[in-house]
Amino acid sequence: GIQVEQSPPDLILQEGANSTLRCNFSDSVNNLQWFHQNPWGQLINLFYIPSGTKQNGRLSATTVATERYSLLYISSSQTTDSGVYFCAVERAQGAQKLVFGQGTRLTINP
Amino acid sequence: SAVISQKPSRDICQRGTSLTIQCQVDSQVTMMFWYRQQPGQSLTLIATANQGSEATYESGFVIDKFPISRPNLTFSTLTVSNMSPEDSSIYLCSVEDWAADGYTFGSGTRLTVV
Repeated sequence: GIQVEQSPPDLILQEGANSTLRCNFSDSVNNLQWFHQNPWGQLINLFYIPSGTKQNGRLSATTVATERYSLLYISSSQTTDSGVYFCAVERAQGAQKLVFGQGTRLTINP
Repeated sequence: SAVISQKPSRDICQRGTSLTIQCQVDSQVTMMFWYRQQPGQSLTLIATANQGSEATYESGFVIDKFPISRPNLTFSTLTVSNMSPEDSSIYLCSVEDWAADGYTFGSGTRLTVV
């Protein structure tokens, strides 16, 4: 099956810092999503981005499908940005389902 | 976008018992997905549920342990049977949400087995 690798696994930053999270995937995809899991376990959909660039406030994401990676940028981090960020992909060929990476745990200290 | 109501939100259960988790969607969907997230881990797909047919299980998951019902296009249940402490996890349901682009998830059920 498709492999999804996220880096770094852990990231600790001070409030106000910027960060870049990376997601590499091993096959062509027709869906790529970034999620934020809050401390209560709820999964929040940040971006649907199988290709191209999107921005939503302090967050932006870029997927380069031909090179099989995606980046999530967080600018001017706030403590509420803390949590686990997951990249998930749906392979272009095969069964319809999302495959998740292992996540990046982001901690923003005040 | 689709709204998924999942319940219970959390439960503490005795080993050997079973728990049924419900997911209700506010629109009709063809497929519903059930995921498990073990402590400190990522999400793993348990099975895909289509209305009117048996669920399709991923490798490592079996129907006897995780029976699924899908009686109509807006509702599904997942049962965790004969529970052991290793079943302590967050269980989430998901649907493909064309209005929102991509997949939407329920708020999850945090299960602790003692």
